[in-house]
Amino acid sequence: AQTVTQSQPEMSVQEAETVTLSCTYDTSESDYYLFWYKQPPSRQMILVIRQEAYKQQNATENRFSVNFQKAAKSFSLKISDSQLGDAAMYFCASNLYNNNDMRFGAGTRLTVKP
Amino acid sequence: GAGVSQSPRYKVAKRGQDVALRCDPISGHVSLFWYQQALGQGPEFLTYFQNEAQLDKSGLPSDRFFAERPEGSVSTLKIQRTQQEDSAVYLCASSWAGVGGEKLFFGSGTQLSVL
Repeated sequence: AQTVTQSQPEMSVQEAETVTLSCTYDTSESDYYLFWYKQPPSRQMILVIRQEAYKQQNATENRFSVNFQKAAKSFSLKISDSQLGDAAMYFCASNLYNNNDMRFGAGTRLTVKP
Repeated sequence: GAGVSQSPRYKVAKRGQDVALRCDPISGHVSLFWYQQALGQGPEFLTYFQNEAQLDKSGLPSDRFFAERPEGSVSTLKIQRTQQEDSAVYLCASSWAGVGGEKLFFGSGTQLSVL
């Protein structure tokens, strides 16, 4: 079974600053994927970044990067140069290599202050 | 279509009523998923289709929940005899092949309120 834990219900950041959202997970499998999804008030989940567990290199997408610590089962998201449009709920998620049951954390609400 | 479309966007039902929620996935997407998102929580997996075949329904909370995708495109999630605990946002997602790790494209969900 997989579980995903996000311990920060809310975070805030000043515009143009950097913020890190935390996520830990638990799985006994060795092959899996990790994701960060953004959910704005429109409710539509949007993929922010994805990491394959077998890759040691941390994924990066423009201003978004992850710190993937496989041994510690930690997968944090760093947002650099925060923008007002980054304000949303952020969900960490995982699924196994051969499984379609994606598990989500409870989410972190990010506020960006102008 | 341009994205995953769900209807209705909002649904209010009296306890005991049956409801049907529709999902229109991106054209050509083989896989379709339903998730239930309670207020203040992350989405929870309900069921998964590959084309018209329902390959996994382990997340359906009771036999009052039923999903179908008869022609491998549009899907309907039906909830019979709705209860207050069924109140949630129901999200639909689709993907090209449904293999692990593939990007999911989500709709905007249907917010169900059971009074």
